[in-house]
Formats: sequence, C-alpha cells, structure tokens
Amino acid sequence: KQEVTQIPAALSVPEGENLVLNCSFTDSAIYNLQWFRQDPGKGLTSLLLIQSSQREQTSGRLNASLDKSSGRSTLYIAASQPGDSATYLCAALNYGGSQGNLIFGKGTKLSVKP
Amino acid sequence: NAGVTQTPKFQVLKTGQSMTLQCAQDMNHNSMYWYRQDPGMGLRLIYYSASEGTTDKGEVPNGYNVSRLNKREFSLRLESAAPSQTSVYFCASSENLRSPLHFGNGTRLTVT
Repeated sequence: KQEVTQIPAALSVPEGENLVLNCSFTDSAIYNLQWFRQDPGKGLTSLLLIQSSQREQTSGRLNASLDKSSGRSTLYIAASQPGDSATYLCAALNYGGSQGNLIFGKGTKLSVKP
Repeated sequence: NAGVTQTPKFQVLKTGQSMTLQCAQDMNHNSMYWYRQDPGMGLRLIYYSASEGTTDKGEVPNGYNVSRLNKREFSLRLESAAPSQTSVYFCASSENLRSPLHFGNGTRLTVT
C-alpha cells in the first residue's frame, strides 16, 4: 500500500530564502505526483503535476522534481515571500488499485517571516 | 470563475440525523471526488466518479453514499451521522482521473 510522507511537518524561514520541501513515497509504480497548496480554511490549489516519465516541472518560482528510483519528490521555492505561507501537500497516483485514489502526505506547514 | 462550489460551508448535526452535501463544478470536468480531511490523518478519498453515470468507493466509504446527478453535480449523503464523521469535507473535480484536481473550499461538519 502506498504511503506518502512529508518531513518536516512545519518549517519557518525568513523572507527571501530559497527552500526545499520534501515528499517521499514507498511504491515507485506511480502514474504521477502532484503538489498542492492549502491556505487556512480553504481548499487545495494544484501547483504542479509531474508525470512518471518526467524529471521536473516548473511554474514561476516553483520547481518540482521527481526521482522514482529513490521514491522522492522535492518542491523548490525560490526567493520566498510572506504570501507563500501555507501548507504544502504532495500526492501520488498509483497504477492499478483504485484508479481515483490519490494518496496524500500530511503536508508541510510553511511560514515565511517578513 | 466559480470552479468547484460546495454547500453548505458549515453544518452541525446530531447523531443519527441525515444530510446531503452538495457539490457542483463549472469546468466541464469528467471526474469528481469527495475527500475528508482530519487532523493527523490527512486527506482520504471517500468516493469518486470517473465519469457521468459511474461511482466507485475510495479508501473510507462506510457510512456514506454518493450520487452523480449529472456531469456538473456530485452529492455526498450521510444517512445516519456519527461523531466519527466530524470532519472537513472537500469536493474536487478533474478533467480525467490522471489530471490535476481542483478543490472546493470545503464543508466543516460537526456531529454531536
């Protein structure tokens, strides 16, 4: 059964710092991996989706990488801003099983201090 | 752009009461989902609908029923609410099962 882990659970950085959020998964037979952002009291917003055949995806200051062999994905945020403060979740979609079942990590709560 | 709209935003039920959570999307997506989010447990899939006319169980379907009313709407029903169903419920949609998910803002449900 796929398990997705995000460490650390919380992270606090000063504004302007480049940072990396980590996501690990136990079953490498994934179809894709998605990164989301969740603001307090809100739903999730999709940030990036990496197909299993891809190594990375970029959107603005965000870059997500995928290494299936090691069971890891990272989300790189460049030049962090207070507006980046939120909880970031990753989720893996596996081949087989329940086709609709994205397995989510519990998230990393990011705080960017001015 | 409305995206995914969920109603109600908040609800308090007594044990044994029933209710239906409504979800509608205006993006012409084929697939729709219901998740619950609990502290320490993360997001877990309750039911999903790959396309209009189909529904399938997710990880935690017990105590829930769903209806894909049409392409736009996917409702979640609690027939006899229990305190263990206190949670935040999110509806989501996507173009297909392998596309990025778009989430609503959630329904906060408390069962006393």
